[in-house]
Amino acid sequence: QKEVEQNSGPLSVPEGAIASLNCTYSDRGSQSFFWYRQYSGKSPELIMFIYSNGDKEDGRFTAQLNKASQYVSLLIRDSQPSDSATYLCAVKERFGAGTTVTVRA
Amino acid sequence: DADVTQTPRNRITKTGKRIMLECSQTKGHDRMYWYRQDPGLGLRLIYYSFDVKDINKGEISDGYSVSRQAQAKFSLSLESAIPNQTALYFCATSDALVRETQYFGPGTRLLVL
Repeated sequence: QKEVEQNSGPLSVPEGAIASLNCTYSDRGSQSFFWYRQYSGKSPELIMFIYSNGDKEDGRFTAQLNKASQYVSLLIRDSQPSDSATYLCAVKERFGAGTTVTVRA
Repeated sequence: DADVTQTPRNRITKTGKRIMLECSQTKGHDRMYWYRQDPGLGLRLIYYSFDVKDINKGEISDGYSVSRQAQAKFSLSLESAIPNQTALYFCATSDALVRETQYFGPGTRLLVL
């Protein structure tokens, strides 16, 4: 089992819809969880980090963490074409394979 | 100027050649990392360093070595390149004050023929 697993995608959503990305991790002692966005041909950049159970909101992005279920998710509300990218879930320095999101205009 | 720089940005080499990828940072972070990215596999950790005297293997260190010359410099070497080391390589630093958030360089695209 990989340490960090993401729903494989790709995910295609219409403009204005909610994109939902999921991630599970294997190390129950993990404390810090990250979502990075990577545009094609570019390096990853941080969107959000979360370390407490529950929700964390930043603009159109909401991260959700459930340590008991070893699950972290990212919701993108009111999706825009500029949100089209690959989203990487990370548990400290361990990354998932990424989910590619395409927002259709 | 970019906070994390990588040289070269693109490199073509032949099987069996030794190659070095270099990374420099001006962020003042102690921790530095090398990753490779292959399509569909995400980022995989090769080596990481928590300070100049601390070097650790990641999940795919075979065939690679590193050198931490200073707090700001971390180099990755392929001792004898092979075609399946063709990939996009990223250097990153992390900030202990922000839960080890990673800051990435622009990447080096390596092709081994």
